[in-house]
Amino acid sequence: DTEVTQTPKHLVMGMTNKKSLKCEQHMGHRAMYWYKQKAKKPPELMFVYSYEKLSINESVPSRFSPECPNSSLLNLHLHALQPEDSALYLCASSQVSVSPLHFGNGTRLTVT
Amino acid sequence: KQEVTQIPAALSVPEGENLVLNCSFTDSAIYNLQWFRQDPGKGLTSLLLIQSSQREQTSGRLNASLDKSSGRSTLYIAASQPGDSATYLCAVRPQNSGGSNYKLTFGKGTLLTVNP
Repeated sequence: DTEVTQTPKHLVMGMTNKKSLKCEQHMGHRAMYWYKQKAKKPPELMFVYSYEKLSINESVPSRFSPECPNSSLLNLHLHALQPEDSALYLCASSQVSVSPLHFGNGTRLTVT
Repeated sequence: KQEVTQIPAALSVPEGENLVLNCSFTDSAIYNLQWFRQDPGKGLTSLLLIQSSQREQTSGRLNASLDKSSGRSTLYIAASQPGDSATYLCAVRPQNSGGSNYKLTFGKGTLLTVNP
C-alpha cells in the first residue's frame, strides 16, 4: 500500500471533456508534485507545490491546471486534452524540497 | 545540464544470483541520490536515498553506494528473487537552492528480470 493515494486509477476521456485527477497524502508533507510518464520513459516533472503555493510549472500547456486546496490534497484539472496526453500521471510528495519523494500508484489516462 | 545514465538498460538473471545496477551522472553537485523500483503500470517505490556526504546505504538485501566525485552510484541486490523483477530507476537531486532542489533528474531505468 502506498501512502500517497491517487484517484481514479484509470480514466478515459474525450478531447472535449473536463475531468480531474486527485491526490491525497496524510504524511504531513509540505511539497507535492505532478509527474507525467510515458511508456518506457522516466517520469517528467509538471508542477510542484510547496506549502500550498505553486513553486514550479515546467511550461505545461494550460489544458492542465493544478490546484492545491490544502496541504494534504492536490488536484489536476484536465480540459481539451489531446491524444498525445495519454500517459500515467503520478503524484508525489516530500516533507521538504530535499527529502525523499513518495509516489502514488498513478492514474492511467487515455484520451480518445 | 545534469544527465543520468543507467547501464544496462535490461538485465536477466537466474534466481539467487547477486547483481549490480549502475547509475552515472555528469554533474557531481548533487544533494542526494534516490533509487526507486517501478512495477509495470504502477508508481515508483522508494528503495534507498543516499545523501551526498554518505558512501552507502543498506536496506535488507539492497545496498546502494555513492561515489560523488566520480559521478557513480551502484545498487547491489543480493540473492535475487523473482519478486525483484521490476524497472529500477535512479534520480539525483541538485545541490542548488532557490527551488531547483525540487527537480530530480531521472535515469531511464534498468529493466530487471529474475527467472525462477
